[in-house]
Amino acid sequence: NAGVTQTPKFQVLKTGQSMTLQCAQDMNHEYMSWYRQDPGMGLRLIHYSVGAGITDQGEVPNGYNVSRSTTEDFPLRLLSAAPSQTSVYFCASSSLLRGSLYFGPGTRLTVT
Amino acid sequence: EDKVVQSPLSLVVHEGDTVTLNCSYEVTNFRSLLWYKQEKKAPTFLFMLTSSGIEKKSGRLSSILDKKELFSILNITATQTGDSAVYLCAASANAGGTSYGKLTFGQGTILTVHP
Repeated sequence: NAGVTQTPKFQVLKTGQSMTLQCAQDMNHEYMSWYRQDPGMGLRLIHYSVGAGITDQGEVPNGYNVSRSTTEDFPLRLLSAAPSQTSVYFCASSSLLRGSLYFGPGTRLTVT
Repeated sequence: EDKVVQSPLSLVVHEGDTVTLNCSYEVTNFRSLLWYKQEKKAPTFLFMLTSSGIEKKSGRLSSILDKKELFSILNITATQTGDSAVYLCAASANAGGTSYGKLTFGQGTILTVHP
């Protein structure tokens, strides 16, 4: 079991560029989510999904898109990167029954 | 708006001390309170509490929830340098069964344990 995996680990983008952060889990979890973590702000929910084909917005969705075509994968797309999106991004998953989140290792993104 | 507040924001102790970390919450349709430990990487799960007054224990760590007063505490006894980390508390809410894992996190408490 690899758990929750994320790629890349680090990324530097220029303002206006787009990119996709990848997230995959092999635990057959229905629920997947993306958080960003900024100093002094804790973890904030960007988008989440309760199953393939179902996504919804979290607390800070602007500037990000997601899709869930399979149970395993939940990519996060930055449409036009801005310096305010410099952050550490965590993907997390859980089973709907259990509810406790399992986090991926994180992606550190810098937008210049 | 759902809110989770942790205190203190940072704490410095010496090995062997006992610490108490606090978490208060205001969450509509509250379901459970979770504690995570974060070192220089992803948060790792410690406890999930759903019932008031029932202590959960894991080694030197224990936690309890008070649903009347809307708070939880995390106790660490006989602290070790390996306990140095950020401790995050999060509250989850019910919303038609689709909010599992949709957690509201506190800012975290930075615990530093000196030898």
